[in-house]
Amino acid sequence: DTEVTQTPKHLVMGMTNKKSLKCEQHMGHRAMYWYKQKAKKPPELMFVYSYEKLSINESVPSRFSPECPNSSLLNLHLHALQPEDSALYLCASSQDHEYNEQFFGPGTRLTVL
Amino acid sequence: GQNIDQPTEMTATEGAIVQINCTYQTSGFNGLFWYQQHAGEAPTFLSYNVLDGLEEKGRFSSFLSRSKGYSYLLLKELQMKDSASYLCAVKTTDSWGKLQFGAGTQVVVTP
Repeated sequence: DTEVTQTPKHLVMGMTNKKSLKCEQHMGHRAMYWYKQKAKKPPELMFVYSYEKLSINESVPSRFSPECPNSSLLNLHLHALQPEDSALYLCASSQDHEYNEQFFGPGTRLTVL
Repeated sequence: GQNIDQPTEMTATEGAIVQINCTYQTSGFNGLFWYQQHAGEAPTFLSYNVLDGLEEKGRFSSFLSRSKGYSYLLLKELQMKDSASYLCAVKTTDSWGKLQFGAGTQVVVTP
C-alpha cells in the first residue's frame, strides 16, 4: 500500500460547526504533515508530527487542532472556522522527518460558509 | 528564511522540450524536490536532488547546482497530460522535515 488517503473529499461547513478531517497511511511512515493550499498558490505547511508527537506548529490559529492517535492516522479538528479558511487541505507522510520524499494524499476541499 | 523563485507560466507545443528553472537562497541546504500538481489534485513527487548534477527519470530530468543555488526540471517529448503546475521545493538541515515550496510554474501544452 503506497498511498495516503483522506476523508472526506469535500466538506462544506458553517462557521459554528465542528468537523474533522482524517488522513491515513499504511506505509509505516513516522512523519505526517498537514498543509493548506489556496487556489493557484503552493502548499503551506501547518503541522508536522514525528513519531506521533507534534514537532512543528507553523503559528496556526487554535481553531485548527491536530491529533495523531497512532502512527497511521492523522486528524485535523476544525471549530469556529472563517470563510477565509476555505482551501484544499493536504495530508502528507514521509518515512521520517529526515527522509526526503513526502507522499501527498488527494486532499479535502473545504468550504466555510 | 528561504527565497525560491520560478517562472509563473510557460507554454510549449506537444512533442517539444520545456525547461523550468528554479533559483533559491537558503542556509543549510538539504535537498531540492520537484513536484507535479494537476488542478484540484495532490502534488506528486517527480525528483529529488541533493548533490550537483543531472538526475534522469524517463522523460523528466532534474539538475542541481548548489554553488549557484539553481535547479531546473527538463520535460522532454511533451504530452498534453503534462499540462500542470510544477513546484520546486527546498529542504534545509534545520527544517525538521519542512518543505518550502516555490509558487509553482504552470506549464501549458498546446497541440
